[in-house]
Amino acid sequence: GDQVKQSPSALSLQEGTNSALRCNFSIATTTVQWFLQNPRGSLMNLFYLVPGTKENGRLKSTFNSKESYSTLHIRDAQLEDSGTYFCAVNNNAGAKLTFGGGTRLTVRP
Amino acid sequence: NAGVIQTPRHKVTGKGQEATLWCEPISGHSAVFWYRQTIVQGLEFLTYFRNQAPIDDSGMPKERFSAQMPNQSHSTLKIQSTQPQDSAVYLCASSSQGWEQYFGPGTRLTVL
Repeated sequence: GDQVKQSPSALSLQEGTNSALRCNFSIATTTVQWFLQNPRGSLMNLFYLVPGTKENGRLKSTFNSKESYSTLHIRDAQLEDSGTYFCAVNNNAGAKLTFGGGTRLTVRP
Repeated sequence: NAGVIQTPRHKVTGKGQEATLWCEPISGHSAVFWYRQTIVQGLEFLTYFRNQAPIDDSGMPKERFSAQMPNQSHSTLKIQSTQPQDSAVYLCASSSQGWEQYFGPGTRLTVL
């Protein structure tokens, strides 16, 4: 079954607006990573989280280990934010990452 | 820092041929991971090494797939007798003592 579920699967935003992406997981994990996959296919690191919150520019992410979810907030969306956002969790038993299905974000001018 | 390097970026093979994919981790990183990405299955873990030793190959297909890490500067993923269903983007990642993984650009394998 789906151990890591992302929602929504697709999202269209007007430039300058805000939104939040969600990642729910059903496996015990100690860390969460968020990536942005650009149109060329490269996975760019956005956040590496232990339980808590981090912020970087217009992005903010929270990892709630008690309720098994993570969120990625995008503020003042820009055209270059378009791409597919993936969350991934590491299984407590090891280092391998289990990925969600991704959220495809399109930012419209 | 050049990041994780993967070669080739694209590879086309005929059914039944062998394909070898190369990965050079970030200098100083002790762990190397291999993943595969397809439209249907998404991103899937294949195998990983730490300090060149194989640690977990639970995601590797039991037949035709093998991975090695002969030295700290590169790892290879070999697929024997390639089949059309092996077509995917193969991604390599590396990490240091912590678990944060950094990915290479991937190798797009197409099996005709």
